[in-house]
Amino acid sequence: GQQVMQIPQYQHVQEGEDFTTYCNSSTTLSNIQWYKQRPGGHPVFLIQLVKSGEVKKQKRLTFQFGEAKKNSSLHITATQTTDVGTYFCAGPPNYGGSQGNLIFGKGTKLSVKP
Amino acid sequence: SQTIHQWPATLVQPVGSPLSLECTVEGTSNPNLYWYRQAAGRGLQLLFYSVGIGQISSEVPQNLSASRPQDRQFILSSKKLLLSDSGFYLCAWSEGGRGGRPAYNEQFFGPGTRLTVL
Repeated sequence: GQQVMQIPQYQHVQEGEDFTTYCNSSTTLSNIQWYKQRPGGHPVFLIQLVKSGEVKKQKRLTFQFGEAKKNSSLHITATQTTDVGTYFCAGPPNYGGSQGNLIFGKGTKLSVKP
Repeated sequence: SQTIHQWPATLVQPVGSPLSLECTVEGTSNPNLYWYRQAAGRGLQLLFYSVGIGQISSEVPQNLSASRPQDRQFILSSKKLLLSDSGFYLCAWSEGGRGGRPAYNEQFFGPGTRLTVL
């Protein structure tokens, strides 16, 4: 079946270093969304990308959607301890009958050493 | 503004006992509603979703069931809990589609219920 895969599963960085997580879908996606879950918390929506090759920025976070709309990345510049958490990508399933549900990747857990 | 409530926040239940988790949304109408389960340190597993009252779609066969008795109320139930039912249960909502077409909008998650089955 359709899969949304994320790498790496875990990433440990020193504060101030950059961080990137990658998301790959087995099928073309109409859009891709990114969420952040702080330790002990619930996922919070960050952004949605819709267009092929789209790039969006939120302060130190840069999100990209691949030209083929099958992959995406989230890059954080100069990580801070507030960036700690698990980052999930999610995309709509491509099977018939889906009604707004998303397929989530397994997430990349980021830890930042001060 | 819209808010989503889940209760209880934590729950410890013996194996074989029943379960009822409730989720309510305020400030919107006809939302899509979702139940997810997250095992410790793992990803999100979609259990059920609903696009309207009485309409439930199941993603994973299990001993859980869901109901939507009112537009903004979503309930997750089990008649007999298993050890493997332990986890973090998250309810979420999103804006529904229009004109019969699905809408893959951002999802807003509730605070979750941490369930431990002993």
